[in-house]
Amino acid sequence: DGGITQSPKYLFRKEGQNVTLSCEQNLNHDAMYWYRQDPGQGLRLIYYSQIVNDFQKGDIAEGYSVSREKKESFPLTVTSAQKNPTAFYLCASSTPGPGAHNEQFFGPGTRLTVL
Amino acid sequence: SQQGEEDPQALSIQEGENATMNCSYKTSINNLQWYRQNSGRGLVHLILIRSNEREKHSGRLRVTLDTSKKSSSLLITASRAADTASYFCATPNSGGSNYKLTFGKGTLLTVNP
Repeated sequence: DGGITQSPKYLFRKEGQNVTLSCEQNLNHDAMYWYRQDPGQGLRLIYYSQIVNDFQKGDIAEGYSVSREKKESFPLTVTSAQKNPTAFYLCASSTPGPGAHNEQFFGPGTRLTVL
Repeated sequence: SQQGEEDPQALSIQEGENATMNCSYKTSINNLQWYRQNSGRGLVHLILIRSNEREKHSGRLRVTLDTSKKSSSLLITASRAADTASYFCATPNSGGSNYKLTFGKGTLLTVNP
């Protein structure tokens, strides 16, 4: 069953702690993305990766870090430097390239709450 | 950066009625995509329309694109309660990268049974 999985579904963190959100895909996609969604808002891009061992900052990268050591995995760490981390986090993947139109496939999301 | 903006922000209709949502964007695009998001879930790709297409159908969905007005519309015909969701338009990044999409803030559609 192909798709994108995110874990955990709900995550609670105390202020000052780092936390890592998992994202795994078995779609054989080269590109992966992390978005943040606040209530009633659209998606804002945190980081994206076009290929293994390479990633770029999105529009709101401050306070976040990522790694892309494997094609299937793109974990996101929310650090203590992120001032307002409570949000819904979405991971996506796509297979860009000649003729592709960058349709993105999304995971189910992780809701992070800072206590 | 270019951005899709959906209109209206919220729409409430009765089952069986048609629902129309609009999206405006700022710069030239090679395609425009519509996504759906059920509450608390990830987004699901609905339909993509290329810049050289004016209309596209998929089941009860009809999408139009007017590149001269930089606008698109999504029509859902014979709506059902299960169509209740947020709908987003997305456009490719204008900065040269074909990898990134910019999403609007969405239209929240409520279909009342």
